[in-house]
Amino acid sequence: GQNIDQPTEMTATEGAIVQINCTYQTSGFNGLFWYQQHAGEAPTFLSYNVLDGLEEKGRFSSFLSRSKGYSYLLLKELQMKDSASYLCAVRAPGYSTLTFGKGTMLLVSP
Amino acid sequence: DTAVSQTPKYLVTQMGNDKSIKCEQNLGHDTMYWYKQDSKKFLKIMFSYNNKELIINETVPNRFSPKSPDKAHLNLHINSLELGDSAVYFCASSQERWGGPVNTQYFGPGTRLTVL
Repeated sequence: GQNIDQPTEMTATEGAIVQINCTYQTSGFNGLFWYQQHAGEAPTFLSYNVLDGLEEKGRFSSFLSRSKGYSYLLLKELQMKDSASYLCAVRAPGYSTLTFGKGTMLLVSP
Repeated sequence: DTAVSQTPKYLVTQMGNDKSIKCEQNLGHDTMYWYKQDSKKFLKIMFSYNNKELIINETVPNRFSPKSPDKAHLNLHINSLELGDSAVYFCASSQERWGGPVNTQYFGPGTRLTVL
C-alpha cells in the first residue's frame, strides 16, 4: 500500500518563498508528482521527480530523496495566484495509477 | 482545443436515481481514469482503462460502472445514487506503456455531483 503525508495548510506572504513537504511510504516507487489545484478547478501538473535531486521549473522547484521517502515543492516569489491546494502523488511500478496525498492548502496574503 | 472534457459540469439529482457522466480526450492518450474528490478534497482513484480495457478497479461499489466505447472516451454510469456519492468526479488521461516511461496525467474540469 501507499501512505502519503503532507501538511494540511500553510500561509505565506506575497514575494516570499515557501516549501511544502511530502513524505511517503510505498510498496514500490516509480515517480512522484506535484499538482496544483485552484478551488473549483482541475488539478494541473507542476512537476515530476523519479531520480534523487532537484528539478527546477521557473519559480517552482521540486526535490526528491528516495532513500528518505521525502519530497518538497519550493515556490519562490510568491504571487496571490499561487493560493491553491498542492497535491503530492506517488506512482508505483507497472501499470498503476497515482496515489494522492490529501493536499496542502496554501494561502498567500498581501 | 486539445483537452480532457467532461459533461455535465454540474449534476443535481435525487437519491435512488441513475445518472451518467461522460469524458472525452483528444490528446491521443491510451489510458483514461476516473477519480473521486470528496468534501475534504481527497482525490482517490476509482478506475483505470487502457485501450478500452479495465486495468484498475479500486474497491468501488458495483453501482458504479465505467464504459469505454473507444480509447478516447470513458463514461461513468452510477446506479441507485446515494447521499455519499456526492463529490466531484474527475476524468484524466495519460499515455502509458507497460515498462515504459511514466507520463503525466491530464485532468478534465470535473463534474460536481450532488445527491439530495
